[in-house]
Amino acid sequence: QQPVQSPQAVILREGEDAVINCSSSKALYSVHWYRQKHGEAPVFLMILLKGGEQKGHDKISASFNEKKQQSSLYLTASQLSYSGTYFCGTEAFGNEKLTFGTGTRLTIIP
Amino acid sequence: ETGVTQTPRHLVMGMTNKKSLKCEQHLGHNAMYWYKQSAKKPLELMFVYSLEERVENNSVPSRFSPECPNSSHLFLHLHTLQPEDSALYLCASSQDRGRGIGELFFGEGSRLTVL
Repeated sequence: QQPVQSPQAVILREGEDAVINCSSSKALYSVHWYRQKHGEAPVFLMILLKGGEQKGHDKISASFNEKKQQSSLYLTASQLSYSGTYFCGTEAFGNEKLTFGTGTRLTIIP
Repeated sequence: ETGVTQTPRHLVMGMTNKKSLKCEQHLGHNAMYWYKQSAKKPLELMFVYSLEERVENNSVPSRFSPECPNSSHLFLHLHTLQPEDSALYLCASSQDRGRGIGELFFGEGSRLTVL
């Protein structure tokens, strides 16, 4: 069963912050985050493993709450280059396969 | 060349045709994947090959037939497709270390239109 992402779409002005959520009904081993710009391949952002870790680089960070099977992606002081569709992918215990959510379309306007 | 390359980038075929999609990775990875991306749907995993053996066939119709002759190449053979098979087909590779799925590197995809 695929993870659920929210919101489905969001429009921000440059410099504003955004949070994208991903939740699963299964016990998770890891959560992946990818960004896909229109007409391009999805690009890896980060992996979070069980243990409730947080990660980040530049102004994009994420957290993983393994008790709730939820992950959140935080985009701080958004830039125009952050526009695209963000996908979370979840890997459940005992099932080495990545299942993706339906995506969150992020549009940054000047 | 670097990364993951897919050919052709665009393909139009009739329902009675036979065609193939090709994927090549230059990253030295040992796992390769086919995903299907349709409008307003999540990425759907179709096939996984690890160390050149198929480890996953995600209930994909037999009109799609994968082939992995070596760790660098992956094919998707197509025959008697249906219009609803029109989609973007993405190839990806990763390094399987035996503990969870690693970072996926995607190709730019092959846009398939079935008439």
